[in-house]
Parts: sequence; structure tokens; C-alpha cells
Amino acid sequence: AQSVTQLDSQVPVFEEAPVELRCNYSSSVSVYLFWYVQYPNQGLQLLLKYLSGSTLVESINGFEAEFNKSQTSFHLRKPSVHISDTAEYFCAVSESSGYALNFGKGTSLLVTP
Amino acid sequence: DAGVTQSPTHLIKTRGQQVTLRCSPKSGHDTVSWYQQALGQGPQFIFQYYEEEERQRGNFPDRFSGHQFPNYSSELNVNALLLGDSALYLCASSLRSPGNTIYFGEGSWLTVV
Repeated sequence: AQSVTQLDSQVPVFEEAPVELRCNYSSSVSVYLFWYVQYPNQGLQLLLKYLSGSTLVESINGFEAEFNKSQTSFHLRKPSVHISDTAEYFCAVSESSGYALNFGKGTSLLVTP
Repeated sequence: DAGVTQSPTHLIKTRGQQVTLRCSPKSGHDTVSWYQQALGQGPQFIFQYYEEEERQRGNFPDRFSGHQFPNYSSELNVNALLLGDSALYLCASSLRSPGNTIYFGEGSWLTVV
């Protein structure tokens, strides 16, 4: 079984500042890693995912995450945030041979002017 | 292209009652999963359906059951409702292959009183 720990429940940040949302996982088998975003009163949207290959993955809206196998981490970063990035962010893991996503408890990103 | 659609969006039930939630997957998707998201928590995997059979199940009691129809749509049934069943129920769809992007609906808010 896998588990996911999102180390910060809330992250307040000023607009145009950089941000890092931390995610650590534990698993005894090979895994896939995901970041999802949930805007208020909406479902989850996939931000980015790591399956294999390059350990640095990027999204279309400026977020990136790096898979670090030795530290079992998959931290999400953005060099300059916008007000519109305010949302709940969930890190998730699945077995590379499986289908169920195992989510962390989420990190609430609050961007203020 | 319609994404994952769920109904109803909100409903209120009394303890002990039964509820049915419905989901239509994204066009072309053959696999449907259900997740429970309690307030302030990450989604928890309930089960997954493929080819009209339950293929994988999370740690949920038998009161939670489901069905998938030939057109890939799905239902989630919960019997003998408890107050603790109050949550956002998310349906997700994908093509059946590990690592494929999983798309989520906006969810059905269930309140048990």
C-alpha cells in the first residue's frame, strides 16, 4: 500500500512570489505520481503527472514538479504565482500496475495581492 | 466534448435511507471510479468498474455498492446511510491502462441528517 503526506495544510503567498508545495510518499512498489488542483465548488483537474523518464515534469500553466526517488518526494513549484492560482492542491500516487489514486490531505494555496 | 457528468449535484438524506448517485464518463472512456471526499480531506478511493464488473475496491463497507452499464455509465449506491457518509462523491473516468489521465466530475454533495 502507498501513502501520501502533504507537509503543509495551508500556504499563504503574495502574488508574483515563488511557491513550493511539498509532497512525500511511501511505497514498496513502483509508482506513478500526480498533482491535482481543485478550485472552489469544482471537481479535480489534473495539473501534471510523472510516469517515467525525465524526473522534471511541467504543466501548461507554469507549474512544475520534480520526482526525487531517493527522497520519495514530488514537490510542486511555481516561480511566480497569480491570484487565480488560489485553490486546493492534492498530491496523489498510484501503483504503476494499478488504477486507484491514493491522495494526500491537500494543501490550500492562498495568493494575495 | 462533455467531460464527466454527475447527478444530482446536491441532495439531503436521512440516516438509514438509501441513495443512488449517477455518473456519465467522458466520451470514449471505459473505466469509471468513485471517490469519497469528506470536508477538508483528500478523496478516498471507493471502487472501480470496467466491463460492468467491480475490478478494484478500497476500504469501504459493503453498504457501498455500484454498477456499470453497457454504455459505461455508472451508479454508486449507499445503503443504511450514516451521518459519517456526508461527503462529496466524485466520479472519475479514464481509459483502462495504468497511468492514463483520470478525469473527475464536479461531484455530488451528499448530506445525511
